Amino acid sequence: AQSVTQPDIHITVSEGASLELRCNYSYGATPYLFWYVQSPGQGLQLLLKYFSGDTLVQGIKGFEAEFKRSQSSFNLRKPSVHWSDAAEYFCAVAPGTNAGKSTFGDGTTLTVKP
Amino acid sequence: ETGVTQSPTHLIKTRGQQVTLRCSSQSGHNTVSWYQQALGQGPQFIFQYYREEENGRGNFPPRFSGLQFPNYSSELNVNALELDDSALYLCASSLEHGYEQYFGPGTRLTVT
Repeated sequence: AQSVTQPDIHITVSEGASLELRCNYSYGATPYLFWYVQSPGQGLQLLLKYFSGDTLVQGIKGFEAEFKRSQSSFNLRKPSVHWSDAAEYFCAVAPGTNAGKSTFGDGTTLTVKP
Repeated sequence: ETGVTQSPTHLIKTRGQQVTLRCSSQSGHNTVSWYQQALGQGPQFIFQYYREEENGRGNFPPRFSGLQFPNYSSELNVNALELDDSALYLCASSLEHGYEQYFGPGTRLTVT
């Protein structure tokens, strides 16, 4: 069975500082990985996805993530955080190519200090 | 292009009652997935419908059931509501159970 762990429940960074959110996954085959963002009271928006190929993937809003098979990790990064990035971030893994059967981590809440 | 919509936005029910939540998929999408997101947790997969047939189910009891209609809209039905069913219910649509899914804003269900 697949699983996702997001070790950091809550992270606080200053505006303009860099950000890294951690994600570790467990999946028997080649994983299909995602990062989503959720603002309060809203649904989830896809930031980026990895299926194959280049292990560094670029997403929307200036985010990127790096897939490291040896570490079973898919960490999300942003070089300079904006106040509008404050939200909850979820990492997810899907079986095969069916994104609609994803398993999610419990999320990391990002607070941005002015 | 219309995105994924869900209704109602909020709902309050009493333990033991039944509830129906609705979802309209994004134009052209024939696959709908439902997720339950309890407070402070990530979404949990309930089930998926593809071309009106159930196409996989997560670890949820049979009192959680669904339907998908010919226009690919969908319903989630929950019978015999329990307090632990209080959650945000998210619907997501995709094309041919494919590479990306698009989420609706969710329905907040409170069971008292």
